Amino acid sequence: GIQVEQSPPDLILQEGANSTLRCNFSDSVNNLQWFHQNPWGQLINLFYIPSGTKQNGRLSATTVATERYSLLYISSSQTTDSGVYFCAVGYGGATNKLIFGTGTLLAVQP
Amino acid sequence: NAGVTQTPKFRVLKTGQSMTLLCAQDMNHEYMYWYRQDPGMGLRLIHYSVGEGTTAKGEVPDGYNVSRLKKQNFLLGLESAAPSQTSVYFCASSAQYRRVMEETQYFGPGTRLLVL
Repeated sequence: GIQVEQSPPDLILQEGANSTLRCNFSDSVNNLQWFHQNPWGQLINLFYIPSGTKQNGRLSATTVATERYSLLYISSSQTTDSGVYFCAVGYGGATNKLIFGTGTLLAVQP
Repeated sequence: NAGVTQTPKFRVLKTGQSMTLLCAQDMNHEYMYWYRQDPGMGLRLIHYSVGEGTTAKGEVPDGYNVSRLKKQNFLLGLESAAPSQTSVYFCASSAQYRRVMEETQYFGPGTRLLVL
């Protein structure tokens, strides 16, 4: 089956710093999503990005489908950015099943 | 719009007991999914449905059953709970790609289940 690897597994930042999170996947996929799981466990959609680049405020994401990776950029980090960031790839054609990576745990310190 | 809601938020079961988790969505989505999340791991797909009256197995279906009698609801059942089913359960929904040209999955707040 498709393997999804995220790096780094853990990251500690000072408030205001920038970071890049990476997601590698082992096979062609239908789509890719980035999620933020906040400390209360809620999964928040960040990006639906099967290819190309998108930006939303301080966050942006780039997926290079031909090279099977995606990057999530966080600029000027804030303590509220803390939590776990997951990428998930869609497979199975029209059924849109997702396979999740194991996540990157981000802690932003004031 | 409430989005995706899950009932209950938290439940404690004894081994061998049964229960049903309810997921409801008000976005008129065709597709619905049940995932489980174990500590330190990503989510894994249990079962899914591509429309009212349909269900199919995901990665980890053993020990679970599902039903989709109404488009807006997706039920997850545990017939005889085991400690290995202690987990956080998430429901999600998405629209059909051909209708919206995007397959974003939207997640509920989760149900924490402890099986003793």
